[in-house]
Amino acid sequence: NAGVTQTPKFQVLKTGQSMTLQCAQDMNHNSMYWYRQDPGMGLRLIYYSASEGTTDKGEVPNGYNVSRLNKREFSLRLESAAPSQTSVYFCASIKDIRFPMTNTEAFFGQGTRLTVV
Amino acid sequence: QKEVEQNSGPLSVPEGAIASLNCTYSDRVSQSFFWYRQYSGKSPELIMSIYSNGDKEDGRFTAQLNKASQYVSLLIRDSQPSDSATYLCAVNLNVGGGADGLTFGKGTHLIIQP
Repeated sequence: NAGVTQTPKFQVLKTGQSMTLQCAQDMNHNSMYWYRQDPGMGLRLIYYSASEGTTDKGEVPNGYNVSRLNKREFSLRLESAAPSQTSVYFCASIKDIRFPMTNTEAFFGQGTRLTVV
Repeated sequence: QKEVEQNSGPLSVPEGAIASLNCTYSDRVSQSFFWYRQYSGKSPELIMSIYSNGDKEDGRFTAQLNKASQYVSLLIRDSQPSDSATYLCAVNLNVGGGADGLTFGKGTHLIIQP
């Protein structure tokens, strides 16, 4: 049981380059999330998808776009990378955030360490 | 403003002692509370969830919830050097219908001294 799988694990980009971070989960979860984690800042939500077919902005969406390709996959795209986007990116899934009384624990992928030079 | 607050530490505890980690949150109607452990360079790993007032025990870990005081804590008994990590408190602050998932504290860095 793989859980949440992110690719790539490491990436170095030059300023202005674009790339897509891939995330897939095999737990049949409805809700998926992208976070970035920076020293002293904690986990900050970039974008989320409460269910297949919907996406919404989180706390820090500028410079990013997302696609919920199907129920399993949720990708994050950097169109023109900037040094301020150097961070560790985590994808997470929740069974269904629309039912908040139970089963709202988040499961995380292994992370992508991105450096923009 | 949705907030989850933790002392960033570092919290230094001798091996074999009890480590006590604390977290406060802003929304009185929150229903779901979680503790995650994150080793350096790794992803957060769920170690405890708690949904009702009182204590919940799982091995060496005990989560405590007091909704009236908007306070959740994690106790680690018989602390081991392998418990050295950053502990993240997470709260579902969206009982009113928001879908942006869990709100995380910035984490407490715990060091277990051999």
